[in-house]
Amino acid sequence: GAGVSQTPSNKVTEKGKYVELRCDPISGHTALYWYRQSLGQGPEFLIYFQGTGAADDSGLPNDRFFAVRPEGSVSTLKIQRTERGDSAVYLCASSPNSSPNYNEQFFGPGTRLTVL
Amino acid sequence: ILNVEQSPQSLHVQEGDSTNFTCSFPSSNFYALHWYRWETAKSPEALFVMTLNGDEKKKGRISATLNTKEGYSYLYIKGSQPEDSATYLCASGAGSYQLTFGKGTKLSVIP
Repeated sequence: GAGVSQTPSNKVTEKGKYVELRCDPISGHTALYWYRQSLGQGPEFLIYFQGTGAADDSGLPNDRFFAVRPEGSVSTLKIQRTERGDSAVYLCASSPNSSPNYNEQFFGPGTRLTVL
Repeated sequence: ILNVEQSPQSLHVQEGDSTNFTCSFPSSNFYALHWYRWETAKSPEALFVMTLNGDEKKKGRISATLNTKEGYSYLYIKGSQPEDSATYLCASGAGSYQLTFGKGTKLSVIP
C-alpha cells in the first residue's frame, strides 16, 4: 500500500517568508510525528499527534512553528518568519495506534527546506 | 534526555567487504532500539526493532545485535554491495513515542 508522502520534496524560500509543509500518513495510522534533521545532526523530534490533537509539541523550537491535523489524517507544519537556521530536512512519520512493534514509525521522504 | 551516539560518522568500503558500525545509548529506561536505512531522496526504511538484551536479528546480509545492559547495538553488513550505500540511523525510544536518533553512519560502498 501507499506509504507516507510529503510535499513539496524541496522548498526554497527567503528569510522572513511563511511556509507550509504537508504530510499524508499511511491510511488508518492515528499517530503522526514531525522530525527535523539539520545538517550534520540526526532527526530531532518536533511534535506528535494522536488523532487530531497534538499530544506533545515539546520539540517545536519556538512559536514560529505550528502544526495542525484537523481531520486526523493529513498534517501541515507551518513556519512563520522563516530564518536561515530553519533550513533542514523535515521528516514526517506515522504509526498505528497500537503498534505491535514498540512504536515502529514509518517515515516519508522528507521536505528539504532551504531559507536564503 | 537520551543521548544516542553512532560511530563511525562515515566509512568507505570496497564491494564485497564486510563491515559493522556501532550505536550506543543510555541503558536506563531502555524500551526499544530501532535501526533505519536512509538512502538519498528516499524515505528512511525500518530495518530492525530490537527490545530484548542479547537479541540478534537478521535481514538478508544485514544483521544486528543488542546489549541493553551496557547500552550498545552493532549493525553488521556481510559482503557489502553498492546498493548498501546509505546512511544508517539508530534511534532509541525510552518507553516513549519519541524516537531519539543518533547522527547516523554514512556508508559508501565502492564498486
